[in-house]
Amino acid sequence: AQSVTQLGSHVSVSEGALVLLRCNYSSSVPPYLFWYVQYPNQGLQLLLKYTSAATLVKGINGFEAEFKKSETSFHLTKPSAHMSDAAEYFCAVNLSYGNKLVFGAGTILRVKS
Amino acid sequence: DTGVSQDPRHKITKRGQNVTFRCDPISEHNRLYWYRQTLGQGPEFLTYFQNEAQLEKSRLLSDRFSAERPKGSFSTLEIQRTEQGDSAMYLCASSLVMVGAETQYFGPGTRLLVL
Repeated sequence: AQSVTQLGSHVSVSEGALVLLRCNYSSSVPPYLFWYVQYPNQGLQLLLKYTSAATLVKGINGFEAEFKKSETSFHLTKPSAHMSDAAEYFCAVNLSYGNKLVFGAGTILRVKS
Repeated sequence: DTGVSQDPRHKITKRGQNVTFRCDPISEHNRLYWYRQTLGQGPEFLTYFQNEAQLEKSRLLSDRFSAERPKGSFSTLEIQRTEQGDSAMYLCASSLVMVGAETQYFGPGTRLLVL
């Protein structure tokens, strides 16, 4: 069965600092992996996805993530945090196309001025 | 492309009442998903449709819940005899099935509060 673990329910960084949000997955077959962002009282917006084409994936708003099979990880990073990055971030996995997403519990990112 | 829309955005109801939510997917998207999100948790899968066929239902979907997608376009999710535990955000997503990873696009959600 697939599962996703996000380490750290809350992460706090200063504006301009590196953002690192951790995601580890469990899957019996090579997965597809996603990062979504959710602003208060809104739906989820796709940041980026890994589909096995390249291990380093670039997304919107300056975010990127690296797929590391040996570590079963797909951590999300951004070199310099902006106040507008404050939101909740979800890592998700599914197996090939046509399948439901399995989400982690989410990480709330706080950006301090 | 107007995105996925959901109606209503908020619903307050009393325990025991029935509620119905609507989701309008991105046009031409043939897959439609329903998820439920409770406070502090990630979304959990409820059910999905390919065109008008309901292909999978989660064990979370008790027999008080029913979903339809009658013409393969919009979908409705009905909850009968609501309970306080049904209070959650109900999210709809749509996608275009294709080889490789499909991308699910989410609507803004319907927040349900059962008193």
